Amino acid sequence: AQSVTQLGSHVSVSEGALVLLRCNYSSSVPPYLFWYVQYPNQGLQLLLKYTTGATLVKGINGFEAEFKKSETSFHLTKPSAHMSDAAEYFCAVSSYQGAQKLVFGQGTRLTINP
Amino acid sequence: DAGITQSPRHKVTETGTPVTLRCHQTENHRYMYWYRQDPGHGLRLIHYSYGVKDTDKGEVSDGYSVSRSKTEDFLLTLESATSSQTSVYFCAIRKEGAQETQYFGPGTRLLVL
Repeated sequence: AQSVTQLGSHVSVSEGALVLLRCNYSSSVPPYLFWYVQYPNQGLQLLLKYTTGATLVKGINGFEAEFKKSETSFHLTKPSAHMSDAAEYFCAVSSYQGAQKLVFGQGTRLTINP
Repeated sequence: DAGITQSPRHKVTETGTPVTLRCHQTENHRYMYWYRQDPGHGLRLIHYSYGVKDTDKGEVSDGYSVSRSKTEDFLLTLESATSSQTSVYFCAIRKEGAQETQYFGPGTRLLVL
């Protein structure tokens, strides 16, 4: 079985500050890991993903995440927050084989303070 | 844009009535999924399909059924809606291979009174 824990249901940062959203996963098989973003009243948009290869992955809008197997983590970072980053962020895990059923964390709502 | 549409986008219904939600894709992907989104739970998988007439259950399948008679359409049916099924429902498709990713539709907001 797989599971995802996102630490902090709400995170608030100042504009220009570092954004760090934490994600830890549990998986008995090599995982595929994803971050999705959801803006109000919209669907989910893929930010970035790790499948194989380089453990530091870069995504859209200046976000990046690092897969750390020893820590079972996949934290999302952005060096400098913009007001437009305010949204809800979801970390998800799936297995590398089979039906690719996504298991999501509960989400982290990011607020940007001017 | 992965060419996914969902209908209806909003629906209000009464307890005990049947409801069918439709997901339509334009790119002939093999896999399609239905998730529900509830506060504090993220998204949870209801059912998925891996081809025409091939479906399987997800984590929260009780009270739901699905059908896929054509590659492009994946239907989710609530046989007898309950208030606990008030939620936002998302359909997703899977792009397989080197670009392995799931892409989500715009969602259907369902209120069961």
